[in-house]
Amino acid sequence: AQSVTQPDIHITVSEGASLELRCNYSYGATPYLFWYVQSPGQGLQLLLKYFSGDTLVQGIKGFEAEFKRSQSSFNLRKPSVHWSDAAEYFCAARFGNEKLTFGTGTRLTIIP
Amino acid sequence: DTAVSQTPKYLVTQMGNDKSIKCEQNLGHDTMYWYKQDSKKFLKIMFSYNNKELIINETVPNRFSPKSPDKAHLNLHINSLELGDSAVYFCASSQDRRAVPGELFFGEGSRLTVL
Repeated sequence: AQSVTQPDIHITVSEGASLELRCNYSYGATPYLFWYVQSPGQGLQLLLKYFSGDTLVQGIKGFEAEFKRSQSSFNLRKPSVHWSDAAEYFCAARFGNEKLTFGTGTRLTIIP
Repeated sequence: DTAVSQTPKYLVTQMGNDKSIKCEQNLGHDTMYWYKQDSKKFLKIMFSYNNKELIINETVPNRFSPKSPDKAHLNLHINSLELGDSAVYFCASSQDRRAVPGELFFGEGSRLTVL
């Protein structure tokens, strides 16, 4: 079955430290892949997307993600987090139909 | 100007009542969506309209009825509200479901609480 998995429900990182949020998908081909961020009380905002080509994609707010076909993964990274990065992060995939399927989200907490 | 706007932002009501949530987008997009986010933050698509035509209708109780009077508006009406309907409902839009698949623009959400 087609699915998106975010194995980490909650991650805590110190301000200034690096960050990696994990995302895996299950699909027979390469889906379109996305990362969205949801700040408290807000809607979701697109951080970056991967359709094809270069497997390292750059997004807004200093985020990047790397697509690894062999691992069916699309992990989100940031070299140095800021307190304003505290939010819920959602990985999503479109598996060739009309729907965008979301993972269950990872809540990021930043400590001073 | 807010790109995707929903009203109301908060809605508290009793079981059995009927309520509506309205959504408007000023991005000129062709496709609009309703998503439900439960208390565990899980996001699930409910409906999608493309140019006023229903294209996605997930397994949603028929108490939920979307209506798209034009491609800039997608409203959600819920009859006979139940406790389990409590959630945050997000409206979203995309330019064209084929051209830029999955790049959605979300509203700020409408938090529905059923007592």
